[in-house]
Amino acid sequence: VQLVESGGGLVQPGGSLRLSCAASGFTFSTYAITWVRQAPGKGLEWVSSISDSGAITYYAASVTGRFTISRDNSKNTVYLQMHSLRAEDTAIYYCAKRNGAVVAGSFDCWGQGDLVTVSS
Amino acid sequence: EIVMTQSPATLSVSPGERATLSCRASQSISSNIAWYQQRPGQAPRLLIYGASTRATGIPARFSGSGSGTEFTLTISSLQSEDFAVYYCQQYNNWPLTFGPGTKVDIK
Repeated sequence: VQLVESGGGLVQPGGSLRLSCAASGFTFSTYAITWVRQAPGKGLEWVSSISDSGAITYYAASVTGRFTISRDNSKNTVYLQMHSLRAEDTAIYYCAKRNGAVVAGSFDCWGQGDLVTVSS
Repeated sequence: EIVMTQSPATLSVSPGERATLSCRASQSISSNIAWYQQRPGQAPRLLIYGASTRATGIPARFSGSGSGTEFTLTISSLQSEDFAVYYCQQYNNWPLTFGPGTKVDIK
């Protein structure tokens, strides 16, 4: 079971970025996936979750209207499209797999994380 | 939003000793809580879910207890690899929320 994030990097305030989370080793289309971020030296913050089919999505208030989560089950990949980025979005972004059927729950597999830096 | 608080912020423990970490929810979350371990430079690792069920491959020295608003993670005999930051997370309500973490360091 493996998750690999990509797409992070340096972006200017107000810019956009799309993160990808490529999955392998499990039946991807039957698990919800979540993005969690961690600002430098800080704790964990839930960002967004998507159901196994992609029909149901949830967002933290801090990113609602700016971030969009989606998935392509044919490519075993989840995406996080980020617009209107702010300095406070600077963080390591982790994707994580649910260890159950319901979208809300705990996460038994995490990617290595991808750093997003928002700075001019 | 359910606020998770953890205490203490830092716990200094000698190898082989017992460590008890606490997590409190601002309202009842039944048993819908998970605990994670995060070592420096690594992603979080799931230890406990459902308040007391160990995740796959987690040693028996890790145990969780509690329900409602008060929860405990106990590490019965600390090993060198257990010195890390521990987070609790509730999944009873949206938004999902994490506690601020407890750092367990070497005394």
